[in-house]
Amino acid sequence: GAGVSQTPSNKVTEKGKYVELRCDPISGHTALYWYRQSLGQGPEFLIYFQGTGAADDSGLPNDRFFAVRPEGSVSTLKIQRTERGDSAVYLCASSRGVQETQYFGPGTRLLVL
Amino acid sequence: GENVEQHPSTLSVQEGDSAVIKCTYSDSASNYFPWYKQELGKRPQLIIDIRSNVGEKKDQRIAVTLNKTAKHFSLHITETQPEDSAVYFCAASMGANAGKSTFGDGTTLTVKP
Repeated sequence: GAGVSQTPSNKVTEKGKYVELRCDPISGHTALYWYRQSLGQGPEFLIYFQGTGAADDSGLPNDRFFAVRPEGSVSTLKIQRTERGDSAVYLCASSRGVQETQYFGPGTRLLVL
Repeated sequence: GENVEQHPSTLSVQEGDSAVIKCTYSDSASNYFPWYKQELGKRPQLIIDIRSNVGEKKDQRIAVTLNKTAKHFSLHITETQPEDSAVYFCAASMGANAGKSTFGDGTTLTVKP
């Protein structure tokens, strides 16, 4: 079946702009995760959802970052007033349940100029 | 919070040799330890995982060992092949907050033919 997909694959924006990153998980997966990966580093946890609710958002860097999953499937990561330091690859993953195999999407490469 | 350290950061071996990557974690409550392989420009993929109720797990040429007392776990790859060349990440999560994974900074493995 289809894997995790993310759109857009690349996003270039200007400092101060608003961006939305979309994640389509594997059908039936209840858990969905957002990570941020900078060059040469491991994925950094941002937030995860169990169904529609954010079970843990302690990794969101500040209140410019917000994520939703209104119907328990597709999720959107929203970044307001983007800063150059937000530039990174944003990875989404999903799993059938927590502590089960996480399947990653291809990522969205965000560049803030 | 949890802290995961991974060593070495780079590892070069001759084809056919074994490779060992080690990770230590700080929170004794962590109970799930996955390993991911990430090829250049691609998404992380789970290669093996271990839970805290076992000390070792093996899957063909790949094995993981866990020492709960010392709070470290290791990835062992035997009979390495050039296609094993990639960045490998370890991660840890705990039952109380199972969806929040903390990753190591990665090991770049190069297998020379």
